[in-house]
Amino acid sequence: VQLVQSGAEVKKPGASVVLSCKASRDDFTNLYMHWVRQAPGRGLEWMAVVTPNAGSMSFAQRLRGRLTMTSDTSAGTVFMAVNSLTSDDAALYFCALGGPQHLEIWGQGTLVTVSS
Amino acid sequence: ILLTQSPGTLSLSAGERATLSCRASQSISGNYLAWYQQRPGQAPSLLIYGASTRATGVSDRFSGTGSGTEFTLTISRLKPEDCAIYYCQQGGSSPITFGQGTRLEIK
Repeated sequence: VQLVQSGAEVKKPGASVVLSCKASRDDFTNLYMHWVRQAPGRGLEWMAVVTPNAGSMSFAQRLRGRLTMTSDTSAGTVFMAVNSLTSDDAALYFCALGGPQHLEIWGQGTLVTVSS
Repeated sequence: ILLTQSPGTLSLSAGERATLSCRASQSISGNYLAWYQQRPGQAPSLLIYGASTRATGVSDRFSGTGSGTEFTLTISRLKPEDCAIYYCQQGGSSPITFGQGTRLEIK
């Protein structure tokens, strides 16, 4: 299984960014797709999880309201939108596939830069 | 659940054994504690889940122990490629949380 993420993004403060994550296996929809981000030189921050098949989602409390997740199961792709970007959202964003308790397969990451 | 890792940085020589600690602010349900390795410039990779089960393809030099609030990752016979930051992560309670990481340097 491989996860391939979309390319780097540069956005202005207040804008939105949409990130994508494509899985190489058809049955990924039965697994859990997590999103984790890492600010420059910082640790890992869990953001959200979706089960594409069930449509169930869960978000980190402090990001709730600014995140939207959708899935295109026929294309094996999950999307996450982050709205109302600030400089604090500048980070490397990872998608990761696994179970509800741990993250087994990670994408290569998408760098999001927020700059006016 | 807050996870506190220690030490912050560990500097050891090749061939030695590394012991990394992860302490939780409350007991982790089901011992759903995982360890990840993140080499410079790379995405994290899963080493251990369920506190002690090695992920597929992970060397038996890596072992995890612990339960409740105290967990340990041990890396035996250190190699230069073990130079990385190691994170613990709990999945027993929502939301998932990560420790702040331990940087392992190989002298």
